[in-house]
Amino acid sequence: AQSVTQLGSHVSVSEGALVLLRCNYSSSVPPYLFWYVQYPNQGLQLLLKYTSAATLVKGINGFEAEFKKSETSFHLTKPSAHMSDAAEYFCAVSDLKDSSYKLIFGSGTRLLVRP
Amino acid sequence: GAGVSQSPSNKVTEKGKDVELRCDPISGHTALYWYRQSLGQGLEFLIYFQGNSAPDKSGLPSDRFSAERTGGSVSTLTIQRTQQEDSAVYLCASRSLGGGGATDTQYFGPGTRLTVL
Repeated sequence: AQSVTQLGSHVSVSEGALVLLRCNYSSSVPPYLFWYVQYPNQGLQLLLKYTSAATLVKGINGFEAEFKKSETSFHLTKPSAHMSDAAEYFCAVSDLKDSSYKLIFGSGTRLLVRP
Repeated sequence: GAGVSQSPSNKVTEKGKDVELRCDPISGHTALYWYRQSLGQGLEFLIYFQGNSAPDKSGLPSDRFSAERTGGSVSTLTIQRTQQEDSAVYLCASRSLGGGGATDTQYFGPGTRLTVL
């Protein structure tokens, strides 16, 4: 079964610093991968997705992620953190063999941005 | 034009009572999902609808949980004889069947926070 691992339940950065949120997937066949963001008391919003078209994926709000098959990773980065980036971030995978295309989520990483 | 809506936004119930949670997907989205977000289990899939049928119910935790969808639109998740471990945020998502399959984006509603006392 597919799974994703997010290293670090909490990540704290200073405003203006690099943001790096880690995600590793377990699959012998590269799945489709997603990053979602959840602001307090809100639903999930898609940041970006990897669908095998390009390994470097650019998303909204200045975020990007790079798919690395050799490392089974899909880490999320942003060059310069803003206070408004403080939220919880979820990496998710969708199994291509599963016709429901349901999402399997990691445990989430809460990003704290210090002024 | 609006996004996925869910009601109620908050529900407090007593142990043993039945509850119904409602999801209105984006108009025209034929795929609908229910997920549950809890402190202990994180975000987990419950059930998937394609149209009015549910080909994947593998995430429903017990037979106290059921869901239906009518008219290919609104869906209701019902929890019978609620237990304290059912306390969670229940999220609904919808997806258009645009031919992209897994690449089509799932759009999430704001969720219903269920508290079982």
